Amino acid sequence: QSVLTQPPSVSGAPGQRVTISCTGSSSNIGAGYDVHWYQQLPGTAPKLLIYGNSNRPSGVPDRFSGSKSGTSASLAITGLQAEDEADYYCQSYDSSLSALFGGGTKLTVL
Amino acid sequence: QVQLVQSGAEVKKPGASVKVSCKASGYTFTGYYMHWVRQAPGQGLEWMGWINPNSGGTNYAQKFQGWVTMTRDTSISTAYMELSRLRSDDTAVYYCARGVTRGYYLYWGQGTLVTVSS
Repeated sequence: QSVLTQPPSVSGAPGQRVTISCTGSSSNIGAGYDVHWYQQLPGTAPKLLIYGNSNRPSGVPDRFSGSKSGTSASLAITGLQAEDEADYYCQSYDSSLSALFGGGTKLTVL
Repeated sequence: QVQLVQSGAEVKKPGASVKVSCKASGYTFTGYYMHWVRQAPGQGLEWMGWINPNSGGTNYAQKFQGWVTMTRDTSISTAYMELSRLRSDDTAVYYCARGVTRGYYLYWGQGTLVTVSS
């Protein structure tokens, strides 16, 4: 059971907007640690999607955005495309400098 | 360009040990911590720990303490992760990932599948 809680699955039709939540606690996200998001396609290594709560690495479309508030964070995907179908993970840290991953969310594009 | 190239797939028997390597190139190896993350089949990502290639200092997830050893050879820019006393539920893909101060992983190895089976 992951310390960071994500919904197991979300779905949306092409063109729609979906959000994925990541809920932590005062020991991790609430303590001020940044939240990062990854996209993982089947059989591949995770790809950094959002870093530092809301920043996109070069090459990531602006359809992807992140936010953080209190002990939670969210990833939003607008203009959903078939190629967005993947697993998404949030990641943060705790006070022992241990990295934490959410349990992952499977996005299905209907 | 930054590359992390891991060693090939391994098949081990229960109780054995496995050592996975991660060769870094395209940047100063001692300038960034190297983290290890594993993913069991159909499961999520699990952080195992990190090594500071400059000092050799390590920080292991509590679950893996006494069980995992992370080392490095700076002469060949390679980090290693050794897991002992393997069990069937250690079957997973093991990734190395370059860490940065803000805590995210932009660069990942391709993954190494370790299968534990009698």
